[in-house]
Amino acid sequence: GAVVSQHPSWVICKSGTSVKIECRSLDFQATTMFWYRQFPKQSLMLMATSNEGSKATYEQGVEKDKFLINHASLTLSTLTVTSAHPEDSSFYICSARTSGRETGELFFGEGSRLTVL
Amino acid sequence: SQKIEQNSEALNIQEGKTATLTCNYTNYSPAYLQWYRQDPGRGPVFLLLIRENEKEKRKERLKVTFDTTLKQSLFHITASQPADSATYLCALGGAGGSYIPTFGRGTSLIVHP
Repeated sequence: GAVVSQHPSWVICKSGTSVKIECRSLDFQATTMFWYRQFPKQSLMLMATSNEGSKATYEQGVEKDKFLINHASLTLSTLTVTSAHPEDSSFYICSARTSGRETGELFFGEGSRLTVL
Repeated sequence: SQKIEQNSEALNIQEGKTATLTCNYTNYSPAYLQWYRQDPGRGPVFLLLIRENEKEKRKERLKVTFDTTLKQSLFHITASQPADSATYLCALGGAGGSYIPTFGRGTSLIVHP
């Protein structure tokens, strides 16, 4: 299957700093990537859809100025949590589809655990 | 509002038995349903897809059913093994023209040796 790599797998930062998480499709090109957030024992909550070469589409309630998404190439999307606060601590996961099939499976990265002190 | 329900209580079964997990949904007309496996601290891994016009799908020891009248999917693992212990997520998509799947919170399965 296709491989999606996410980095870093965990990060601890001080309140007020910004953190960047990278998501790469290693063996396929992904025109669209998805960013999710997951709290313990909760479902994956879609934050935004990242489109290569254009602006991301954010879900309702997600602050686009706080969670900056850049999809500069067909294999890389980044999520930057700006001015992070303890309530931003969570598990962030990216995913992508290998094809244009709308029902196609999502390939997920390993996830990034963010802890804001 | 749209709702996807998976049993929040862990399912404990003995090795060799069949595990059955349930995914119910309300106020939703999905075009497809997917099941994923998620291990602690890892991203989900796709297992099976079933479309609205399909009743049942099988893959090795896995079987998924989809009843659009009951608004329910059942996920079965036969001859379960301790290595099957994980959280299983159902995801629905295709409702209202959106093909980005929406996930349930998952059910934890624990297979005891």
